[in-house]
Parts: sequence; structure tokens; C-alpha cells
Amino acid sequence: AQSVAQPEDQVNVAEGNPLTVKCTYSVSGNPYLFWYVQYPNRGLQFLLKYITGDNLVKGSYGFEAEFNKSQTSFHLKKPSALVSDSALYFCAVRLTGNQFYFGTGTSLTVIP
Amino acid sequence: DAGVIQSPRHEVTEMGQEVTLRCKPISGHDYLFWYRQTMMRGLELLIYFNNNVPIDDSGMPEDRFSAKMPNASFSTLKIQPSEPRDSAVYFCASSRTSGRTGELFFGEGSRLTVL
Repeated sequence: AQSVAQPEDQVNVAEGNPLTVKCTYSVSGNPYLFWYVQYPNRGLQFLLKYITGDNLVKGSYGFEAEFNKSQTSFHLKKPSALVSDSALYFCAVRLTGNQFYFGTGTSLTVIP
Repeated sequence: DAGVIQSPRHEVTEMGQEVTLRCKPISGHDYLFWYRQTMMRGLELLIYFNNNVPIDDSGMPEDRFSAKMPNASFSTLKIQPSEPRDSAVYFCASSRTSGRTGELFFGEGSRLTVL
């Protein structure tokens, strides 16, 4: 079955430290991978996507993600976390039927 | 661009009442998705449309749920009769065909509480 997994329900990081939110995928064929962020009482917002090409993808708000084919991972990263980055983060894959399958989400808390 | 517009943002109703949620997708987008978000089950895809035609409604929980897309700029999700377990945030999202490379754009959601 094609899917994405987010192994951590909760990630805590100190302000100014680098952050990583993990995602692994299981997809047949070429993976089309996405990261979204959800702030409280808001809809999901697109951060970045990997389609093809460079394995390091840069997105909004200083976030980036690294596609690793051998480890089937697409981890979200940021060099220096801000308190305002505290939110719920979702990894997603777009399937062959054009559906989007979302992971279970990771709650990120940046501690001042 | 106004983004995906959903209404109402909040709805409180009593069990047994009919609920209608509305969505206006981004102009030019040919895919429309309805999701439900709860703490217990996360984000669930209910149904999606392509060019106003329902493609996959296998996620619709039961016959009490129905969705329509009469034209490219409007969709509804109806629950009749509503039950307390339907309480959730319902999201509408739209996307443009670009192979599979286009991203989803979400509305702000409709928070439904069924008493």
C-alpha cells in the first residue's frame, strides 16, 4: 500500500536550535511528496514539495526537506527554530489516482 | 486570489438536524477534495471530484453523508441526519491537474459540533 508515516507524534526543540520532523514513505514508482503546516484553528498550508531533481528542496518560512531514496525518507528541517514555528506538521504523498494521503501529523513545540 | 472559501466556519446543531457545508474552490482548479479531521482519526479523505464528477467516495462514512458539485465553483457536503460522532472539522481543498505535481490548497475549515 502506498503511504507516508510520521514516527513522532510530538517534537520539542529549543528556540534557535535546528529542528527535524521525520517522514518515511512507501510508494511504488516516483514519489510526489509534500509537507504542510497547520496552525491552531486554521487550514493546512503548503510548505514545500519534492517532484524530481535536487534532493534538497527549499520551501516557505525557511523550511527545507531532504529526499533520500535509499532510506525512503523525506524529513523536514530548519536550521534555526522560531517559537512561531510551533504547529502541527503533515507529510503527504500524491497517489496515482491524484488522491493525497496524509501522515498522522507531528506536533512541533519550540521552547523559548 | 481569494483561496478556497468554506462556510460556515462554525456550526452547532442538535442531533438529527440536517447540516450543509459549502465550499468554493480556487478558480481554475479541477480537483476538489473533502476531508474530515478529528483527534482520534486524524485527516480522512471523504470524497473527491474531478471536473465536477465524483471520482472516489469510498471515504464517506455512511449514507447519511452526501456531496455534490453542481458546477466548477461550488460544492456541498451534507449530513442528514447528523449525529454527535459527526463532530469534527471538515476541510475542503482544491488542486489543479499538473500530472501529480500540483499541491493542495485548503480552506480554513468548518468546525461542526453536533449536540
